[in-house]
Amino acid sequence: SAVISQKPSRDICQRGTSLTIQCQVDSQVTMMFWYRQQPGQSLTLIATANQGSEATYESGFVIDKFPISRPNLTFSTLTVSNMSPEDSSIYLCSVEGQGDGYTFGSGTRLTVV
Amino acid sequence: AQSVTQPDIHITVSEGASLELRCNYSYGATPYLFWYVQSPGQGLQLLLKYFSGDTLVQGIKGFEAEFKRSQSSFNLRKPSVHWSDAAEYFCAVGGGSNYKLTFGKGTLLTVNP
Repeated sequence: SAVISQKPSRDICQRGTSLTIQCQVDSQVTMMFWYRQQPGQSLTLIATANQGSEATYESGFVIDKFPISRPNLTFSTLTVSNMSPEDSSIYLCSVEGQGDGYTFGSGTRLTVV
Repeated sequence: AQSVTQPDIHITVSEGASLELRCNYSYGATPYLFWYVQSPGQGLQLLLKYFSGDTLVQGIKGFEAEFKRSQSSFNLRKPSVHWSDAAEYFCAVGGGSNYKLTFGKGTLLTVNP
């Protein structure tokens, strides 16, 4: 299965600022997925990122707040923009492993103060 | 729409005891089903998956799960729990042409010595 390197692993940010999270995969993948896990909650899909096209956002998530880049088949970034304390969460990227199930990065634990 | 229900928010078992974590799903076609484990401060690790075939699936760390279509269930079991199994467990459904995972709210497992 794919190996995902996600960074930063954690950050503490001031409200009103933005944070960009990076995910690097050790193999080429068609789709990458970004999830949010709010404190004590399950995972919620933010968007699906295909290389060379605009990301597809789930209900309740918008591009202005969570812009995503997908410049090639092994890399993607998620930016959390104009942050507020409500954005404090774990953010995870994921890829589908061609029959091996979905693999997740180790997550980015974000605290907004 | 697909959904996953994990009825037990928190389960406590004694080390060496057997374990069963419940998962019920709703999905419009043949489901792809997954169990993930998340240790504190960690990302998600895939325990096992069901795509098709034998309805009893073996996973890592001695876990198994049984797909029961008539009950829309995919319960996770382990015959003898170890202290290191203490973690949060998530059931998920999705895959196929959808390429989206929907997670349950998770079951927190505490293991008493």
